[in-house]
Amino acid sequence: GQNIDQPTEMTATEGAIVQINCTYQTSGFNGLFWYQQHAGEAPTFLSYNVLDGLEEKGRFSSFLSRSKGYSYLLLKELQMKDSASYLCAVRSLLMDSSYKLIFGSGTRLLVRP
Amino acid sequence: DGGITQSPKYLFRKEGQNVTLSCEQNLNHDAMYWYRQDPGQGLRLIYYSQIVNDFQKGDIAEGYSVSREKKESFPLTVTSAQKNPTAFYLCASSWGTAQPQHFGDGTRLSIL
Repeated sequence: GQNIDQPTEMTATEGAIVQINCTYQTSGFNGLFWYQQHAGEAPTFLSYNVLDGLEEKGRFSSFLSRSKGYSYLLLKELQMKDSASYLCAVRSLLMDSSYKLIFGSGTRLLVRP
Repeated sequence: DGGITQSPKYLFRKEGQNVTLSCEQNLNHDAMYWYRQDPGQGLRLIYYSQIVNDFQKGDIAEGYSVSREKKESFPLTVTSAQKNPTAFYLCASSWGTAQPQHFGDGTRLSIL
């Protein structure tokens, strides 16, 4: 079956660093995406990993270990505007050679002053 | 500006009524998708379309229907057969199914 796990909620302090973990069990794995979603708004694309290792994009970094079925999103120098839900999504290759995104339930991050 | 437009932002449905949610994109993307999001849950795929005049069921297609007559448009109809339609509906598009998806602002559907 397909399963993606993320913590439901996390709290961190402005200026600090926070790591949001995602573990997955899927068939046909072909990459992992992270999206940010503010309440009542559309998800916005943050990062993408297809190979093992760390991808850095400004204050945001994402790590992937395919052998462990594990990824994390690292947010540095936290700002109040980073309070949002962070969605982990695995891309799977289907029998018809198309791809499908399977989303986790999201991690709600609260940044406190 | 290029983007994905969903309308209306809020929609109310009466019992036994069909309603249609609009999704238009001017990004020239081939693939389009409809997702449903319930409180505290991830996005679940309803339908997707890789090209015009073709679409496939996602994980929760029952009670929904779509059409893809134009590249820019992918409307979703929530039929009376969908017994629990209250949710946040998100439309997305991408160059192909392997590419990152870009989302519209969503439509929140409620039952009267």
